[in-house]
Amino acid sequence: DAMVIQNPRYQVTQFGKPVTLSCSQTLNHNVMYWYQQKSSQAPKLLFHYYDKDFNNEADTPDNFQSRRPNTSFCFLDIRSPGLGDAAMYLCATDKRRGAQGGYNEQFFGPGTRLTVL
Amino acid sequence: GQNIDQPTEMTATEGAIVQINCTYQTSGFNGLFWYQQHAGEAPTFLSYNVLDGLEEKGRFSSFLSRSKGYSYLLLKELQMKDSASYLCAVRSNDYKLSFGAGTTVTVRA
Repeated sequence: DAMVIQNPRYQVTQFGKPVTLSCSQTLNHNVMYWYQQKSSQAPKLLFHYYDKDFNNEADTPDNFQSRRPNTSFCFLDIRSPGLGDAAMYLCATDKRRGAQGGYNEQFFGPGTRLTVL
Repeated sequence: GQNIDQPTEMTATEGAIVQINCTYQTSGFNGLFWYQQHAGEAPTFLSYNVLDGLEEKGRFSSFLSRSKGYSYLLLKELQMKDSASYLCAVRSNDYKLSFGAGTTVTVRA
């Protein structure tokens, strides 16, 4: 089945120790998103890639970086995790058809729950 | 930016109907989505509205009034497995989604 996969599902890191979360998709979608979701809060968009074009949200801290080496993979790098970065990180994809758009919904991966000690 | 409001919690009995309201203020509108999210899991797509009116999909229906900035999700014949958080999300003209904080629905036997 075509899907969005995130590894690992649970990640524990130490305060200040860099960590990388990964996302892969078999949907051949051209857009990939990273969201941060804290308990009982709305998912918050951090950034997204439209093909190879990187789009950062204005309020995303510099501590968060992303890489998309190819269509299928996207990585979230947290350079120096703080206690406030503990959250669920959700990867999502959709297929945007240029100006025509279309309603294509975003497909979400199962998420990676990050704990910072 | 987007401002999206939905109730925090709702409780209903198995077999009943529940309506979850969502109001939004937007700087650009390109569709409204409803997602279901079970605790600790990813959101899954339920419905999409871009034109005014009702969209029905089995036990779930969603309504949109663009002039009022209002949508609702109607869940009929509630089952225990419907206990989850329901997220209202507005898509803006740049195709980004802005989510509400979610409504936690608890279904009781």
